[in-house]
Amino acid sequence: DTEVTQTPKHLVMGMTNKKSLKCEQHMGHRAMYWYKQKAKKPPELMFVYSYEKLSINESVPSRFSPECPNSSLLNLHLHALQPEDSALYLCASSHGREVDEQYFGPGTRLTVT
Amino acid sequence: GQNIDQPTEMTATEGAIVQINCTYQTSGFNGLFWYQQHAGEAPTFLSYNVLDGLEEKGRFSSFLSRSKGYSYLLLKELQMKDSASYLCAVMDSNYQLIWGAGTKLIIKP
Repeated sequence: DTEVTQTPKHLVMGMTNKKSLKCEQHMGHRAMYWYKQKAKKPPELMFVYSYEKLSINESVPSRFSPECPNSSLLNLHLHALQPEDSALYLCASSHGREVDEQYFGPGTRLTVT
Repeated sequence: GQNIDQPTEMTATEGAIVQINCTYQTSGFNGLFWYQQHAGEAPTFLSYNVLDGLEEKGRFSSFLSRSKGYSYLLLKELQMKDSASYLCAVMDSNYQLIWGAGTKLIIKP
């Protein structure tokens, strides 16, 4: 299994809603990542988990809250988002946090109304 | 600061060869990656270079010159399905990927 799965594929939420994005991989990877990607821009790193511990938080607003329940799962909890947070949210994983290719999930297309 | 430059857009003809260049200035270097991304989809890994020289993988090859801070991705026998964005990314001394803005490649029949 060389796949990273993400749910939901699409999400529309209001600014007062609370929702969660989910990511799963069964490749035995020990590093997992959340990226945000706006149209025609490269991915922007939001969070990195290494061995289920948050190792990098790129100064992301607190309305985004990551969680890593175990080595296969990664969640991103969303609360009180703004319209400018609308983007493609990508999850990725790699064997370790060091030199290794990252495998990306298909992404969740988020629209905040 | 950290900077990765690649052309915004390129156009090529089906069956031809195209070279996408990438120049970088980063704090440390732990390798350079090329990813392909079709519109609305996730990036997929194409190649990794950490030593100088050419890495060949089927129709795709990637070259690296660390002294020049330069890489290119060479695509041969272009197919319509190769129309996509190609992202150059460098892993810096903190093992973080620094991404270029991507090159949109348009293939014409």
